Amino acid sequence: SAVISQKPSRDICQRGTSLTIQCQVDSQVTMMFWYRQQPGQSLTLIATANQGSEATYESGFVIDKFPISRPNLTFSTLTVSNMSPEDSSIYLCSAGPQKGNTIYFGEGSWLTVV
Amino acid sequence: GENVGLHLPTLSVQEGDNSIINCAYSNSASDYFIWYKQESGKGPQFIIDIRSNMDKRQGQRVTVLLNKTVKHLSLQIAATQPGDSAVYFCAESPKEYGNKLVFGAGTILRVKS
Repeated sequence: SAVISQKPSRDICQRGTSLTIQCQVDSQVTMMFWYRQQPGQSLTLIATANQGSEATYESGFVIDKFPISRPNLTFSTLTVSNMSPEDSSIYLCSAGPQKGNTIYFGEGSWLTVV
Repeated sequence: GENVGLHLPTLSVQEGDNSIINCAYSNSASDYFIWYKQESGKGPQFIIDIRSNMDKRQGQRVTVLLNKTVKHLSLQIAATQPGDSAVYFCAESPKEYGNKLVFGAGTILRVKS
């Protein structure tokens, strides 16, 4: 299994600011993803973080709002830009060694926008 | 915690009883399925997975059943314990999605002592 660490674990952010969430995996992984989980709801995929190239975004999510970096096979960042209270959510990093294998999750970054 | 809630169905069981959590998935092309457990304040934790070439898989105290005909997945927990209280999510991976997962709505499991 992969151990996934996220920072920050929690934050309270001012409206209009941006916050970058870091995700570190303890081993090299092919697949890394970012999900959002709004309070009391299920998980929604934001994007696939591609190593060395631009992320692939799901419908409803755009790069200007959620820029993602993935400089190597163990690390990725997600930025939530120009935050509004609607962005208050848990943001989850997930990773898997290769296609068709189990996907593991970090503990999440709990953001509250005020 | 943030996961307990307003939007998810709840299953209440007595400690020691067996629990069955059901999930209907949407894509007949899905070939890989995972059950996750999410405790309050934590990220989803892998429980068990199953591929579409199987209809049953057993783990420690858990069994996953897959019925592809009706696109139904279930998680059975034997001898449910208070520590099993959590939100349970099924996730499907359509073949064309690579490793992307599509999550179900989730079910809250409450274990009564």
